[in-house]
Amino acid sequence: QVQLQESGPGLVKPSETLSLTCTVSGGSISSFYWTWIRQSPGKGLEWIGYISYSGTTNYNPSLKSRITISVDTSRDQFSLKVSSVTAADTAVYYCARDLINEGIDYWGQGTLVTVSS
Amino acid sequence: DIQMTQSPSTLSASVGDRVTITCRASQSISSWLAWFQQKPGKAPKLLIYKASSLESGVSSRFSGSGSGTEFTLTINSLQPDDFATYFCQQYNNYPYTFGQGTKLEIK
Repeated sequence: QVQLQESGPGLVKPSETLSLTCTVSGGSISSFYWTWIRQSPGKGLEWIGYISYSGTTNYNPSLKSRITISVDTSRDQFSLKVSSVTAADTAVYYCARDLINEGIDYWGQGTLVTVSS
Repeated sequence: DIQMTQSPSTLSASVGDRVTITCRASQSISSWLAWFQQKPGKAPKLLIYKASSLESGVSSRFSGSGSGTEFTLTINSLQPDDFATYFCQQYNNYPYTFGQGTKLEIK
């Protein structure tokens, strides 16, 4: 059974960089696509972007200038960085596995990140 | 971006009922549509992919249909565990986009 677990600070100051890591267990990260999605009361569910096991990325254009997704296959981890955060970036952040044609099948439990001074 | 519109936003039903949720895309997405169930404080759970394919382990009471711009999720014989919020998501074009959700409440 594949499991994903997000980790990172729950509070980030405005203008700073939000950094989260997702650890994958029960299966290898060296295949499939690995994605970040966030959910806030105001914007609902928002797809942030994905990275493939080989490092190919695809980002949401609305966030592209501020986000970086990277992968560390040796640790079965992938990471998200969002720079220059504002209160609008406050959300529950999920990491997930994307099978592309068969949908997003495994999700982490989600981690709440609040942007506040 | 492709806009996904769900209706209704809230649906009240009783145990044993059959309910249908509709999702409309602002342009054709072929059959690249998924349905998720979400309970408070939990991550979304994949129910249906490719518009009508049932995810492994999901009850056969759930079914999906549609193609192009109009899709439906049907839940037969509602069980207490089914009361949750349901989302559709298109994955025909990037960025992927989600519907705003339909909250299924107990009548």
